[in-house]
Amino acid sequence: KAGVTQTPRYLIKTRGQQVTLSCSPISGHRSVSWYQQTPGQGLQFLFEYFSETQRNKGNFPGRFSGRQFSNSRSEMNVSTLELGDSALYLCASSTRQGPQYFGPGTRLTVL
Amino acid sequence: GESVGLHLPTLSVQEGDNSIINCAYSNSASDYFIWYKQESGKGPQFIIDIRSNMDKRQGQRVTVLLNKTVKHLSLQIAATQPGDSAVYFCAENGSNFGNEKLTFGTGTRLTIIP
Repeated sequence: KAGVTQTPRYLIKTRGQQVTLSCSPISGHRSVSWYQQTPGQGLQFLFEYFSETQRNKGNFPGRFSGRQFSNSRSEMNVSTLELGDSALYLCASSTRQGPQYFGPGTRLTVL
Repeated sequence: GESVGLHLPTLSVQEGDNSIINCAYSNSASDYFIWYKQESGKGPQFIIDIRSNMDKRQGQRVTVLLNKTVKHLSLQIAATQPGDSAVYFCAENGSNFGNEKLTFGTGTRLTIIP
């Protein structure tokens, strides 16, 4: 099976802009979770979607949002970008009781 | 609150030796634990997981031990190889969650000395 794919792999934006990141889960996986990874805060949970519904949410401001489509693919959006949003954004997919499998991430740089 | 900590930020091991990476967790309600390996420029790679109804689980060259009494988790890697050099993270699922929301530790950088 193909692994989790994320696009784009690298992104450079300026403050105030918005960005959309995309994630395609492993075939058959219906749960998609998003994480932010920074040197200072480590890996932090953003939110999780299952069957197009957000089931879990982390402690991030409302500028961070996401959605899931009927084919389980997911997108996350960050509006009004801030310098502190520079990070590696990771997507992971899983079956109901299985481990999460991560994609390679999208490296976002905010200038 | 939920937190997962690691005893050592770095660990150097001679090639061929065994390595042990330790992790402490604070949420006694956690019932699922997992280890990941992250190499530079890549996403975390699943190594092994364990549920709270077990205290040991073995994989290929890896063993995870869970001590719920002291809320401690360890990853043992046997006969380490240069390819084992990476950052290793432990994670837990916290309370009232399935496996979809993980709280990660800060990571241990393992360096294999040839």
